[in-house]
Amino acid sequence: KAGVTQTPRYLIKTRGQQVTLSCSPISGHRSVSWYQQTPGQGLQFLFEYFSETQRNKGNFPGRFSGRQFSNSRSEMNVSTLELGDSALYLCASSLVFGSQETQYFGPGTRLLVL
Amino acid sequence: AQTVTQSQPEMSVQEAETVTLSCTYDTSESDYYLFWYKQPPSRQMILVIRQEAYKQQNATENRFSVNFQKAAKSFSLKISDSQLGDAAMYFCAYRGFAQGGSEKLVFGKGTKLTVNP
Repeated sequence: KAGVTQTPRYLIKTRGQQVTLSCSPISGHRSVSWYQQTPGQGLQFLFEYFSETQRNKGNFPGRFSGRQFSNSRSEMNVSTLELGDSALYLCASSLVFGSQETQYFGPGTRLLVL
Repeated sequence: AQTVTQSQPEMSVQEAETVTLSCTYDTSESDYYLFWYKQPPSRQMILVIRQEAYKQQNATENRFSVNFQKAAKSFSLKISDSQLGDAAMYFCAYRGFAQGGSEKLVFGKGTKLTVNP
């Protein structure tokens, strides 16, 4: 069974631009979470989606948004990019919604903002 | 808010030897889940092992085992017969229980493990 896939793997943008990252969960998985990883802040939770609805949200500004489609694929969008948004963005999927579920991670999208 | 602390930023071990990575967490909850994830240089985060707080028995997965001390809020990872492929950043993570809901994963800062041949 294929794992979590994320596209693109690498991205370079300039300040003020916007970016959209995509995540395809493991087949059959319906919950998708997003995390930001930076050297300074470590791994921080962005949001979690299940059944096309945002179920949890981390402490990030409104420039960070996401959505989930009926096939469970998810996208996250960052508008008005700032230098501090440079990070590895990790997507994780789990079978269903709930803390008892184990999250399986994708390879990440490395975003560099210049 | 729950916090996870990994007090060893870096560790090294000789191939075939055993190493233990430390993790402590702070929570007022009685039900929760603990994880160890491994992130090699490829950056893919890989699940190593999972422990449910209500289980007294320590989880094991082949060469990987944990020492879960609930009262002490400690969750260490032991890697036996270390292999070169074990070299990676190891993250300890906590996930609270939410009846009918879901809590986020809270990660520690990580421990970089080097395996020397």
